Amino acid sequence: AQSVTQLGSHVSVSEGALVLLRCNYSSSVPPYLFWYVQYPNQGLQLLLKYTTGATLVKGINGFEAEFKKSETSFHLTKPSAHMSDAAEYFCAVSAFYSGNTPLVFGKGTRLSVIA
Amino acid sequence: NAGVTQTPKFQVLKTGQSMTLQCAQDMNHNSMYWYRQDPGMGLRLIYYSASEGTTDKGEVPNGYNVSRLNKREFSLRLESAAPSQTSVYFCASSEAGQRYEQYFGPGTRLTVT
Repeated sequence: AQSVTQLGSHVSVSEGALVLLRCNYSSSVPPYLFWYVQYPNQGLQLLLKYTTGATLVKGINGFEAEFKKSETSFHLTKPSAHMSDAAEYFCAVSAFYSGNTPLVFGKGTRLSVIA
Repeated sequence: NAGVTQTPKFQVLKTGQSMTLQCAQDMNHNSMYWYRQDPGMGLRLIYYSASEGTTDKGEVPNGYNVSRLNKREFSLRLESAAPSQTSVYFCASSEAGQRYEQYFGPGTRLTVT
């Protein structure tokens, strides 16, 4: 069965500093991987996804993630944090239930950005 | 194009009361999902519907029922609410197939007293 582990339930960075949110997955088949962002009192919004092809994936708002099969990781990065990046971030992997697409989510990482 | 809409946005129930959460999507998606979100637990799948006419249990289905009314609408029913069902509920939809991302509604915040 697929699973996702997000290291660190809360990460704090200074404005302008590098953002690194960690995600490791387990999957018995080639995974499809997603990062979502959730701003306070809102639903989830897709940041980026990896399906096949290029392992470095660029998303919205300057975020990117790299799929590393050997490390079973899909870490999310942004070179320079902005105050507006403060939110909760979820990593997700596709689950294989008879060809359907329920996603398995990590428990989330709350990002705080300090001025 | 409203995407995924959910009603109501907020609801307070007493233990034992019933209610139905409504979800609709206008993106012609085949698959729809219901999740609950609790602090520190991430999102947990309650039920999903791969296509019109089918529904399947997810990780936490106990205490819930669903109906895929048509391709657009997927409702979640609590027959006898319990305080453990206090949560934020999200509906999502997607094209069929593992490559496709899910699109989420704004959520329903439910409190059971």
